[in-house]
Parts: sequence; structure tokens; C-alpha cells
Amino acid sequence: GAVVSQHPSWVICKSGTSVKIECRSLDFQATTMFWYRQFPKQSLMLMATSNEGSKATYEQGVEKDKFLINHASLTLSTLTVTSAHPEDSSFYICSARDGLRSNEKLFFGSGTQLSVL
Amino acid sequence: SQQGEEDPQALSIQEGENATMNCSYKTSINNLQWYRQNSGRGLVHLILIRSNEREKHSGRLRVTLDTSKKSSSLLITASRAADTASYFCATDQAGTALIFGKGTTLSVSS
Repeated sequence: GAVVSQHPSWVICKSGTSVKIECRSLDFQATTMFWYRQFPKQSLMLMATSNEGSKATYEQGVEKDKFLINHASLTLSTLTVTSAHPEDSSFYICSARDGLRSNEKLFFGSGTQLSVL
Repeated sequence: SQQGEEDPQALSIQEGENATMNCSYKTSINNLQWYRQNSGRGLVHLILIRSNEREKHSGRLRVTLDTSKKSSSLLITASRAADTASYFCATDQAGTALIFGKGTTLSVSS
């Protein structure tokens, strides 16, 4: 089946630094990728939709200047948490749809646990 | 945004018992999917049921969908300790992002 690789799987950083998370579709092209955030003991909340070659679409309440999304190729989307603060500590997970094989199923990366000190 | 509401929020059962989780949603959907998440880990896709389907089985899993009531249920039969996890329903409205419910935390004790 289709594979989505997410890196890193965990990161610890100091407050005020920026952190980049990569999401790659390994064996399919993904014109659209989705970024979710999950706080402890809560559900996954959609943050933004990443579109290849164009600007990302952010959900209400998600700061686009804080969470920079770049989808420069059909297999790679990156999420950069800029000037991270402890309240940004969360589990971030990306997903993509393989439109050629199935338009129904989303494939998820394994997630990135971000801890901001 | 969050589409689904699951109940119960938490469920504790003994090995061998059945576990039933319910999910309600608000808008029309293309399909509804159930996922499992072990603590601190990624998601495991369990089953997908389309809007024109009413029931689906996969191993020990049985999913029902009632589009008139905008609800779905996930039944895990003969539960095992390894089934301990959080379970989420997720709705697909128009082939874009999945919108997740709040989840049910299942604890199966041996």
C-alpha cells in the first residue's frame, strides 16, 4: 500500500526556535497533503491543507505565519513551526491521498512529537 | 473543525467481552472511517464504510452506518488486551481532509 514518511518522529527544542517537519509520499504523487495536530488525550484537529505549487489553506484559528507550510513538489510537504513556544508542544501528523489508487483512503505519516522547553 | 462525537469517551472491559463505540456526525458524508491509535503513536486504519453501505465486517470488527441518524457504531468482538487503544471515527465529506471525532479510549484488562 501507499506509504507516507514523516520525519522527525520526535523533536525537543528550546522556546523561540523553529522546527521543520517533513512529510513525504514515498510511492505516489500527492497533490494535496493534510496536516493535523493532536494535544494529549484529545482528537486530531485539521490544521491546514497543503496544495502542491500553491498556498496552503488554513483552518480557522490556525496562524499561517506561525505554521508555515511548503508543498514544493508532488511528494514533499513541510510544516515549519516558527518561534515555537511550550504551548506548541503537540503531536503533529500529516496525511495524503493517492488519487490514482483510491480517492477514499488517506495515508498517514507516523507523526512527530514536538516538545518545546 | 470537528465533525464527530463519539461515545462513550472511555470504556473499560474484560478480555473476551465485546466493545461497542458509537459515533455521530453532522453533515452528509461520502464515507466514514474508523481508526485506532495506540498511546503516543500513529494511526491505524481499521475500516471504511461508504454512505450507501449499512454494515461492514472485518475480522472481529463490525461497523454499521445509519445515514438517516448520522451515526455509526464500531463493535469489537471477543476483545483482547492488545485492543487497548483510542478509537476514532472520521468522516469524509467531499474527498478532501478527514474530520475526526473526539475518540473513545478503550481499556481491555486480562
